[in-house]
Amino acid sequence: DGGITQSPKYLFRKEGQNVTLSCEQNLNHDAMYWYRQDPGQGLRLIYYSQIVNDFQKGDIAEGYSVSREKKESFPLTVTSAQKNPTAFYLCASSIARNSNQPQHFGDGTRLSIL
Amino acid sequence: EDKVVQSPLSLVVHEGDTVTLNCSYEVTNFRSLLWYKQEKKAPTFLFMLTSSGIEKKSGRLSSILDKKELFSILNITATQTGDSAIYLCAVLNAGNNRKLIWGLGTSLAVNP
Repeated sequence: DGGITQSPKYLFRKEGQNVTLSCEQNLNHDAMYWYRQDPGQGLRLIYYSQIVNDFQKGDIAEGYSVSREKKESFPLTVTSAQKNPTAFYLCASSIARNSNQPQHFGDGTRLSIL
Repeated sequence: EDKVVQSPLSLVVHEGDTVTLNCSYEVTNFRSLLWYKQEKKAPTFLFMLTSSGIEKKSGRLSSILDKKELFSILNITATQTGDSAIYLCAVLNAGNNRKLIWGLGTSLAVNP
């Protein structure tokens, strides 16, 4: 089945540690996105990528990094510079960023601080 | 600043009730409005609306957009416990930025 796979489902981070969240899609979508969801707040865009080897900062990129070496994959690294990383992280993809097509989401990764 | 406001923030109803969820927006360069349903994990896409006055339907769910008054409603008739979820509204900005502006969501609980 086509879809977006995020792993792991749950992740714990120690102080000073970088962690990487995986996002893979087999929908042949060009555009991919990372969002952060906190209680009482809407989805906030961290980074997005329109094509391979290209990515742009979203609204809250500080303390995060991404790469887009393959069309199918858009991993997110939460660095030690992100002081409040506890949140639910959602990866999404769409056919193309400039198209008027909906984004489709993975099941998310819940990150907590140890 | 672009914003999307959903109301109510939470709602508790009994099975069989009809509910109406609201989404108002102030977004420069409107392109489309989207509704998603989020249970415990991934938001799942429900509807995309681009034109005023055209109702979209899927089973017991329906939605309509008013681009003059800048709002949309999502109706759910004959609610079931499986409709319990957070319903998210987002508006696509068609400018160079071209990003989705998200509301905070409406948390719906349907009691048996």
